[in-house]
Amino acid sequence: QKEVEQNSGPLSVPEGAIASLNCTYSDRGSQSFFWYRQYSGKSPELIMFIYSNGDKEDGRFTAQLNKASQYVSLLIRDSQPSDSATYLCAVTQMDSSYKLIFGSGTRLLVRP
Amino acid sequence: DAGVIQSPRHEVTEMGQEVTLRCKPISGHDYLFWYRQTMMRGLELLIYFNNNVPIDDSGMPEDRFSAKMPNASFSTLKIQPSEPRDSAVYFCASRGDGNSYNEQFFGPGTRLTVL
Repeated sequence: QKEVEQNSGPLSVPEGAIASLNCTYSDRGSQSFFWYRQYSGKSPELIMFIYSNGDKEDGRFTAQLNKASQYVSLLIRDSQPSDSATYLCAVTQMDSSYKLIFGSGTRLLVRP
Repeated sequence: DAGVIQSPRHEVTEMGQEVTLRCKPISGHDYLFWYRQTMMRGLELLIYFNNNVPIDDSGMPEDRFSAKMPNASFSTLKIQPSEPRDSAVYFCASRGDGNSYNEQFFGPGTRLTVL
């Protein structure tokens, strides 16, 4: 079992819709959760992080965390074609807050 | 700040050759990470350093891989001898200890092709 699981997609949504990206993790001791965006041929860039259960909003992005269910999600409102990218979920391990374990990523396509 | 700098950006070599990848972290950052990304395995942490000292190298795949950080502004990842299965994009990332939310800043990556 992979430590961080994501649906590889592609997830296709029309422009203006809400895109919902999901991630589950296996380490119950994980404390920090991150969403990175990676455009094709580029390096990952951090777009959201969350530590506490509940929702965290930043502009069009909302991260949701449920530690009991070991589940973290990313919602993108008013999706734009420029949001088309691969979204990587990353989780810290209980024994090290510096090591990030990445999921394999979900490819998002926003159709104009 | 120029961000994390990696060189070369592309490397094509033949099986058996030695490959050296280079990284300059963001000035003032005291954590440096080496990752490898492939379609099959995704983004994997190979090794990370704190204050130039290797802390965890459990992700280094084999003895053919080695990494050094001789000073705070330079790190190398060496593969000797290289094999076709080493073909991947290698990313270097850095993080500052004053960063309250553990953000790692990634370099542009080195695309390695071993023929």
